[in-house]
Amino acid sequence: DTEVTQTPKHLVMGMTNKKSLKCEQHMGHRAMYWYKQKAKKPPELMFVYSYEKLSINESVPSRFSPECPNSSLLNLHLHALQPEDSALYLCASSQEGAGGTTDTQYFGPGTRLTVL
Amino acid sequence: AQSVTQLDSHVSVSEGTPVLLRCNYSSSYSPSLFWYVQHPNKGLQLLLKYTSAATLVKGINGFEAEFKKSETSFHLTKPSAHMSDAAEYFCVVSGGSNYKLTFGKGTLLTVNP
Repeated sequence: DTEVTQTPKHLVMGMTNKKSLKCEQHMGHRAMYWYKQKAKKPPELMFVYSYEKLSINESVPSRFSPECPNSSLLNLHLHALQPEDSALYLCASSQEGAGGTTDTQYFGPGTRLTVL
Repeated sequence: AQSVTQLDSHVSVSEGTPVLLRCNYSSSYSPSLFWYVQHPNKGLQLLLKYTSAATLVKGINGFEAEFKKSETSFHLTKPSAHMSDAAEYFCVVSGGSNYKLTFGKGTLLTVNP
């Protein structure tokens, strides 16, 4: 089973709200990722967790705050977002957490976020 | 450094005819190469991957791709298009940089009845 699940599927929030996106995988993968995808563009990497530690932060604004409570879960906390943050947020996971460059990333279905 | 060029932003075919989506890559390392498909408002689904084993890679749903090192290409093909193949396709390369994938800009495949 190569399933990554994400909740919610859709989220509408105001600029003063605080919300969270959730991602879960039960494949025993040790690396988990957050991507942002704007319409008609490829995904852009935001964060990487390896063995539950933040490994990569692609200079993402602090209004996005990732959290990895355990090896199966990845959260993205959102606060004071801007309308331009509206996008599809994708979670992915891969098997090795030690920088294996051939590891396949498996993507979830995404959360469609709209910031009003 | 690595890069991916998808040579067509949009490909239109008739149902039942062959599909060819072209991808060229550049990499300083021995790359791993992937094709992902994304249906509207969905996540990315892995179609196939090349990791230095056989140069002809078979994937899901009848797709295959051939790795040609001399041409630095990894084109995606399918003998007969189906309506359900209509989607965005991304050619992706990894290698050299931990965890990071380099995506092509995508090719939108339209299948006409």
